[in-house]
Formats: sequence, structure tokens, C-alpha cells
Amino acid sequence: QVQLVESGGGVVQSGRSLRLSCVASGFTFSNFAMHWVRQAPGKGLEWVAVIWYDGNEKYYGDSVRGRFTISRDNSKNTLYLQMDSLRAEDTAIYHCARDSFGYCSAGHCYSDSLDYWGQGTLVTVSS
Amino acid sequence: EIVMTQSPATLSVSPGERGTLSCRASQSVTSNLAWYQQKPGQAPRLLISGASTRATGVPARFSGSGSGTEFTLTISSLQSEDFAVYYCQQYNNWPLTFGGGTRVEIK
Repeated sequence: QVQLVESGGGVVQSGRSLRLSCVASGFTFSNFAMHWVRQAPGKGLEWVAVIWYDGNEKYYGDSVRGRFTISRDNSKNTLYLQMDSLRAEDTAIYHCARDSFGYCSAGHCYSDSLDYWGQGTLVTVSS
Repeated sequence: EIVMTQSPATLSVSPGERGTLSCRASQSVTSNLAWYQQKPGQAPRLLISGASTRATGVPARFSGSGSGTEFTLTISSLQSEDFAVYYCQQYNNWPLTFGGGTRVEIK
């Protein structure tokens, strides 16, 4: 069965960096676009970033663009999120999620629904 | 950015009753709309994609409708396991955006 397991969260000071990982199993990882979605404590869901199958296309949310970098290693079935210049408002549970049918055409990429999600890893940024 | 607005924020329903949740987009998202269910301490679970297509394993009491800017998730007869928070999400435009959620609680 499909499994997504995140790790790498923890407590970090404002301005520092952290790298999250998400290990995938139960499906052909290299065939799917993958997302990071976060949820601040007691709040709703906020989309963070997406990366396509081969890693060549990446999109980011406005609040993290320029500070966070999404990447993947298909040989290790692993998705990453490098988070730099962390702020208190980045405190959240970070979930990785699989894009069910996202595709790219004519230089643009299109997402679909997120059909599998990991339990998440908690990142706490202290000021 | 497309803003997704869900209403009501909290829906109080008795078990066995019908629950109707609304989601409005600030501009058309055609049918590129998903619904998710989230229980405390758990990851979100996909219920509906394409505004009206149930995901694998989702009970038939869940149904989605709408297109453009107005969408509805209906739970025909609420079961105890359905009390949770529900989010809508558009995937028509970047960035992807979620509604603020509707909490369905036991009346």
C-alpha cells in the first residue's frame, strides 16, 4: 500500500535552516509529482511547493518562495524540503502528499487532487 | 491567488441527519476542486476530486457537486466516524489554495 513517511522536523531558531525528508513506498515514485503542504497548530492547510516527476519543474507558494527549495531523489524514493531563513510563522506540521494525476504540457504543469498524504513532521521555529 | 471560502465554519448535526457543506471560489476553478476530511492527529484524506468523483474506498453517502465558483459536499446520513474537519481545495490555478475548513460536530 502507498506510504509516505516524513522526518527531519524539530525545534530550530529563527533564521536557521532545516531539511525535511519524505520517503515513499508502495508505488512508482518517479511517476508522480509530489507536494509539501503545511498546517500551523490549530489552523488550516497551506500549500507549500510541488515538484514534478523528473525534478525539472517546481512551483512554490508566495510565503516560501526564495527561502524553501523542494527536490527529490528518485533513486531513493525520497522527497526533500530545504527550509532556509526560517521564521516563527513557518511553525507547522509539514505533510508530503502525492499528486494523483498531475502532468506537464507545452511548458506548463497542471496539478490534480492530492490522493495520499503522510502523517507529517512538526517544525517549530523559536524566536 | 484564488481565495476559497467555506461555510459554515462549524456544522452541528445529529447522527443520521444530512450535512451540507459549501465552498466558494473567488474566481472560476471549473471542476478542479477536491474535498478532504481530516480527523484530529491524522493526515487529510481525499474524499472527492473533480468536484464530484468519489475517491477509492469513500462511502456513497459522500457526494460532491458544483462547478465554476460554487461547490457543495453532502453527507447524506452522518455516521459517528464522519465527525471531522472538511477542507475544499482548488487545483485549477497556481498557487493551490485551500478553504479554511468546516468542522462537523455532533449536535
